[in-house]
Amino acid sequence: GENVEQHPSTLSVQEGDSAVIKCTYSDSASNYFPWYKQELGKRPQLIIDIRSNVGEKKDQRIAVTLNKTAKHFSLHITETQPEDSAVYFCAASAGGFKTIFGAGTRLFVKA
Amino acid sequence: SAVISQKPSRDICQRGTSLTIQCQVDSQVTMMFWYRQQPGQSLTLIATANQGSEATYESGFVIDKFPISRPNLTFSTLTVSNMSPEDSSIYLCSVVSSSTDTQYFGPGTRLTVL
Repeated sequence: GENVEQHPSTLSVQEGDSAVIKCTYSDSASNYFPWYKQELGKRPQLIIDIRSNVGEKKDQRIAVTLNKTAKHFSLHITETQPEDSAVYFCAASAGGFKTIFGAGTRLFVKA
Repeated sequence: SAVISQKPSRDICQRGTSLTIQCQVDSQVTMMFWYRQQPGQSLTLIATANQGSEATYESGFVIDKFPISRPNLTFSTLTVSNMSPEDSSIYLCSVVSSSTDTQYFGPGTRLTVL
């Protein structure tokens, strides 16, 4: 079955710096890659997603890149702010939305 | 986006008992899922709740332990049976919005088993 690995497990950055979280997936049939942000005690919230026919997608300070050949995808957050502090999960789905999640990255943005 | 509610939001239960969690969506959805998130961990898919047929369970999860109902396209229940402290977790309902083709999560049910 699908396996999604996510690194790093913890990331600490200074406010204004960039943060990058990387994931790899195992199932070559995966075609949908969402990213979720989860604040303490709250549900996961979709922040950006990318489908396999696209290599990059950007939404304001957030961007995601996908390398299908290498089965890598990454989340990039620029100009980080304290409110970006949360746990971020990457995920992969091979259709049917049987979404498999990475282990999560705890991001700390220091003011 | 779909509006998802879950009941109860939290509960504390005694071992050996069962708890049924309800998930209600404000629109008809084809795909509905149940996830578990243990403290400090990621989300693990328990099963896909199929309307009109038995749920499809992932490896490590069985129907006797986690029976699921899906009587219509807006509602599902997950029962955690014969609970033990290891079942203490957050249980989340999730749906795919047909209009946006994206996946959303309910607020979760925080279960503590003593």
